[in-house]
Amino acid sequence: GNSVTQMEGPVTLSEEAFLTINCTYTATGYPSLFWYVQYPGEGLQLLLKATKADDKGSNKGFEATYRKETTSFHLEKGSVQVSDSAVYFCAPSGGYQKVTFGIGTKLQVIP
Amino acid sequence: EAGVAQSPRYKIIEKRQSVAFWCNPISGHATLYWYQQILGQGPKLLIQFQNNGVVDDSQLPKDRFSAERLKGVDSTLKIQPAKLEDSAVYLCASRMGDSNTGELFFGEGSRLTVL
Repeated sequence: GNSVTQMEGPVTLSEEAFLTINCTYTATGYPSLFWYVQYPGEGLQLLLKATKADDKGSNKGFEATYRKETTSFHLEKGSVQVSDSAVYFCAPSGGYQKVTFGIGTKLQVIP
Repeated sequence: EAGVAQSPRYKIIEKRQSVAFWCNPISGHATLYWYQQILGQGPKLLIQFQNNGVVDDSQLPKDRFSAERLKGVDSTLKIQPAKLEDSAVYLCASRMGDSNTGELFFGEGSRLTVL
């Protein structure tokens, strides 16, 4: 079955700091990989995705590369902003379209 | 385009009572998911439908939870009788087609408090 190991938070960074949130996964079939974000008071929404090995997903300055050899999909951003404060979820989508979510990593960016 | 609609947004009940949540997915989306999100945790899949058929309900506590998706459109999740540990946000999501490459679209969730 699917499983996700995601870096636990909370993570507190100063504005303009570099961010990495680690994610490794197991999934049946050939999964697509997603990062979802939940801003305070809002619902879950897609941040970025990658659908095959070595693909890089990117959005809003965030990036993640599909690493099949290490079954990883780490999220990075070179310079975080206060508005990036949210909870981030790694979510592989494997066989039969099952989507499994990680525990979530809370990011707090301070000015 | 209308998003995923869920109701009610909030519900407070006492243990052993029953509750039902409703979800209307985005029009044309074949796959529908119900997730339970307990405070501080990631969403946990309860049940997944493809059209009106169940694909995965392995983590649904079937002694108290039930779900249906009649006509392959909207869906209802019921809890009877509720326990204290059922306090959570119940999320409905939908996805177009039958590929695992598409994104999930989430509703705003139904927050349940069991006293």
